Amino acid sequence: AQTVTQSQPEMSVQEAETVTLSCTYDTSESDYYLFWYKQPPSRQMILVIRQEAYKQQNATENRFSVNFQKAAKSFSLKISDSQLGDAAMYFCAYRSLQGGSEKLVFGKGTKLTVNP
Amino acid sequence: NAGVTQTPKFQVLKTGQSMTLQCAQDMNHEYMSWYRQDPGMGLRLIHYSVGAGITDQGEVPNGYNVSRSTTEDFPLRLLSAAPSQTSVYFCASSSGRISGANVLTFGAGSRLTVL
Repeated sequence: AQTVTQSQPEMSVQEAETVTLSCTYDTSESDYYLFWYKQPPSRQMILVIRQEAYKQQNATENRFSVNFQKAAKSFSLKISDSQLGDAAMYFCAYRSLQGGSEKLVFGKGTKLTVNP
Repeated sequence: NAGVTQTPKFQVLKTGQSMTLQCAQDMNHEYMSWYRQDPGMGLRLIHYSVGAGITDQGEVPNGYNVSRSTTEDFPLRLLSAAPSQTSVYFCASSSGRISGANVLTFGAGSRLTVL
């Protein structure tokens, strides 16, 4: 079974600075998807960014980008120009392509604090 | 569009009571699922459904029942609530195509406390 590990329970960053959240995963599959979800205090799960394993190019979405290292099974999230609204729990998630399922395996999350 | 709607948002139960968490989506999504979120544990899959009449177990199915009689609805039933089921529950859906481009749409969550 796949596992997802987020080794940083908490992180903090100064407003306008850059922060990187770590995520590693374990799988024997060659094709899969990886996601970062944001959960603000409102509790709503919001997709931040996704990466398809067969694509070598790292995904980017405005101030959010990933560093996808397939061989190392690493999928870190970089937030540039951090804003107060970025404060939230961030979850890394893995999705297998086998079986046609939409099942996600989540990491335990990283709580990001943004200091003004 | 309302997206994924969960009710109730909050519920307090006594041990042994039963209840149903409702989930409805108006996006004609084939795939629906239930997750629970516990502190320090991330989200864990309870049950999922790939279409009306088809359900399957996830990682933590014990103590929960589901059914899928319509495309729109996917209720989660607790037959005899236990304190270990105190959690925040999320319903999520997607169109279910294998393209991989689909993203789960989550409901707002339901906080359940079992005393």
